[in-house]
Amino acid sequence: GENVEQHPSTLSVQEGDSAVIKCTYSDSASNYFPWYKQELGKGPQLIIDIRSNVGEKKDQRIAVTLNKTAKHFSLHITETQPEDSAVYFCAALPNFGNEKLTFGTGTRLTIIP
Amino acid sequence: DAMVIQNPRYQVTQFGKPVTLSCSQTLNHNVMYWYQQKSSQAPKLLFHYYDKDFNNEADTPDNFQSRRPNTSFCFLDIRSPGLGDAAMYLCATSRGGAVTYNEQFFGPGTRLTVL
Repeated sequence: GENVEQHPSTLSVQEGDSAVIKCTYSDSASNYFPWYKQELGKGPQLIIDIRSNVGEKKDQRIAVTLNKTAKHFSLHITETQPEDSAVYFCAALPNFGNEKLTFGTGTRLTIIP
Repeated sequence: DAMVIQNPRYQVTQFGKPVTLSCSQTLNHNVMYWYQQKSSQAPKLLFHYYDKDFNNEADTPDNFQSRRPNTSFCFLDIRSPGLGDAAMYLCATSRGGAVTYNEQFFGPGTRLTVL
């Protein structure tokens, strides 16, 4: 089955600096890669996703890059703000039409004011 | 607003006392999922429904059951909760379909405490 590794497990960044979280996946058939943000006591919220036919996607301060050859994808947050503090999960969808996401282990991001 | 709703948000039960968690959705999505999430861990899929078809994960204990009486509602039944079942339970939905990427929408979760 699919295996998703996520690094780092914790990340502290000065407010205004950039944060990068990296994930690798094992199944070359995976073709959908979402990123979720989970604040304390809340359910995960989708913040950005990327399909396998795209190398990069941006949404304001958030961007995701995908390297299919190397089987890794990354989340980039620029100009970080205190409200970016949360746990971030990457995920991969193993098969086209398969409804089950495989999640990474999560990254606790802390923005230092 | 279309959304995924979970009730209650907090549930306290006693060891061995059955409990039911509820999820409803206004998205009219075909697929509904139940996840268990323990502190500092990723969500762990327990099972999911594609319409009325039930799909159980191989490592989901028999203690966990689910019902989906209609498109909008799905229930998680824990027949005899143990201390190890204390966790956040997340419901999620997706449109489903062989030609559709399955963006999943999560509810706010129910935090279960077992005394």
